[in-house]
Amino acid sequence: DTGVSQNPRHKITKRGQNVTFRCDPISEHNRLYWYRQTLGQGPEFLTYFQNEAQLEKSRLLSDRFSAERPKGSFSTLEIQRTEQGDSAMYLCASSRDILGYTFGSGTRLTVV
Amino acid sequence: EDKVVQSPLSLVVHEGDTVTLNCSYEVTNFRSLLWYKQEKKAPTFLFMLTSSGIEKKSGRLSSILDKKELFSILNITATQTGDSAVYLCAAASNSGYALNFGKGTSLLVTP
Repeated sequence: DTGVSQNPRHKITKRGQNVTFRCDPISEHNRLYWYRQTLGQGPEFLTYFQNEAQLEKSRLLSDRFSAERPKGSFSTLEIQRTEQGDSAMYLCASSRDILGYTFGSGTRLTVV
Repeated sequence: EDKVVQSPLSLVVHEGDTVTLNCSYEVTNFRSLLWYKQEKKAPTFLFMLTSSGIEKKSGRLSSILDKKELFSILNITATQTGDSAVYLCAAASNSGYALNFGKGTSLLVTP
């Protein structure tokens, strides 16, 4: 499969725990994006990487959220001290040019 | 604040009907308007529109952008049950890298 791969597909965690999600973009894509989507809403932008540099962060990305893209390949999104409001689908996308996004299937997080 | 508004939020039609989905936007330094189809998980790309008045077509789907009135429409003719999905529109600006999505239109096509 040469698409954008996200793991895990589903994650259930207790409030207060830390979680980490992984995204493997399409190999020749140097741009990588994280979005969050809740039920009945469109995806909301979280952050953007060009190669290993994090170039933009949304104000939605509180200090409990951190994203990395070491070596400009895969990316991780970590949420510390999860809250119930963090329950959502976390979508990763990658692109070669500025708008040709390919989305992954997402990681669905449920905080109980 | 930038915003993208889609209407209707949900729609139920019979197979064979034609539907028109609407997207209006207010985006600073607008660049392009994109349409995506989201069935269960990943949104899949349909169209990108940058210029006014130029219709883009793909099979039974077509879309057009009006940059003066700040809206776009997505038309689906001869709908099929496989068209059932959430249709998302998103605006891109020259000011950043993010796409600003609307809430989507949930389309259900019944046999």
